[in-house]
Amino acid sequence: EAQVTQNPRYLITVTGKKLTVTCSQNMNHEYMSWYRQDPGLGLRQIYYSMNVEVTDKGDVPEGYKVSRKEKRNFPLILESPSPNQTSLYFCASSSGGGTTEAFFGQGTRLTVV
Amino acid sequence: DAKTTQPPSMDCAEGRAANLPCNHSTISGNEYVYWYRQIHSQGPQYIIHGLKNNETNEMASLIITEDRKSSTLILPHATLRDTAVYYCIVRVEVGGQNFVFGPGTRLSVLP
Repeated sequence: EAQVTQNPRYLITVTGKKLTVTCSQNMNHEYMSWYRQDPGLGLRQIYYSMNVEVTDKGDVPEGYKVSRKEKRNFPLILESPSPNQTSLYFCASSSGGGTTEAFFGQGTRLTVV
Repeated sequence: DAKTTQPPSMDCAEGRAANLPCNHSTISGNEYVYWYRQIHSQGPQYIIHGLKNNETNEMASLIITEDRKSSTLILPHATLRDTAVYYCIVRVEVGGQNFVFGPGTRLSVLP
């Protein structure tokens, strides 16, 4: 079954404690990206990757890092989380091209206290 | 990417067709219209997309006006499980595959 898997689904952490949210896809997709969703602000892109070792900033990259060492994985790293990074995070992947759909993971609800 | 305008909310009776409108008056010739939906706080789910012709799949139909400035997503027989936020997105092939999600339309299917 084609899917994008995020872990963990829920996470509560404290300010400043580094964390990583993993994302894995089993569709051999080139494109992967991270979004955050906040009430009233919709989904906003954080970072994206067009292929292995190719990453770039989205609309709201501050405070986040990503890496793409393998095609299937695209982890989101918060080196020093802050309360304003409390949000619902989604990973997405697609095979590329303007007419392809994006597959989204089930989301990670992060709370930073 | 062009901006879209959707009504913030709509109701539909169970079993009836749900018609969700979207305005995209500044759409460019090479931009596609996509529809996604999000049920509760789950990941957005692809529904359908099109360029200029009407499209139909197992989930829905997409009707795009001839001038391409607006479109309508049709759920032919809405069920309670179709209650969700529906997003209309227009986009071209750009690096990063960024889907710009607006506030969408919150569809409530009523029993």
